Amino acid sequence: DADVTQTPRNRITKTGKRIMLECSQTKGHDRMYWYRQDPGLGLRLIYYSFDVKDINKGEISDGYSVSRQAQAKFSLSLESAIPNQTALYFCATSGLSLAGGRNEQFFGPGTRLTVL
Amino acid sequence: GEDVEQSLFLSVREGDSSVINCTYTDSSSTYLYWYKQEPGAGLQLLTYIFSNMDMKQDQRLTVLLNKKDKHLSLRIADTQTGDSAIYFCAESIDDNAGNMLTFGGGTRLMVKP
Repeated sequence: DADVTQTPRNRITKTGKRIMLECSQTKGHDRMYWYRQDPGLGLRLIYYSFDVKDINKGEISDGYSVSRQAQAKFSLSLESAIPNQTALYFCATSGLSLAGGRNEQFFGPGTRLTVL
Repeated sequence: GEDVEQSLFLSVREGDSSVINCTYTDSSSTYLYWYKQEPGAGLQLLTYIFSNMDMKQDQRLTVLLNKKDKHLSLRIADTQTGDSAIYFCAESIDDNAGNMLTFGGGTRLMVKP
């Protein structure tokens, strides 16, 4: 979705380096998510945020941190990158979802991160 | 807990029908989704089905839901080479935690000319 952008698109780094992945959206959505994708494992949720003051850990938050700088911006940091964090990272957004309602998520193009 | 499973790979010939299957374990699923991921791109929502429905048709796409067996399928009629992609099923449940999505591992569809 062109309304959800991620930078950088590709990054190669070394073990121990600090890395920040950025996500911006122009959809006006309150909710933002960070996922990682590994072959055969689908998407696993790292962190999510339902508004600027709300940050929640997902399934695999260890080794990651996030910052919600504004409604439109949600960044993911790897404080000290390790090789098993090599993966494809996706940011996603969604609007308000009533209890039991749909929660269609809109995805950015992804950031391919390689940790050597 | 939630677990969504899909077979890893499917190969079909152009013009044939493709059927991609998915099983899930959480009986309180409210909506189930099919996403498509083309090479080098993010996921795009293809279609979704509400859990009280058995079937939904949208042009070449047919979604079948067997709630008793917790089985979801996506049928693509007259499959084209442009349908080659990874297809993910996902479920959301009404757990007062914002209808979060749980994704399957993805099925890579290869369409041979």
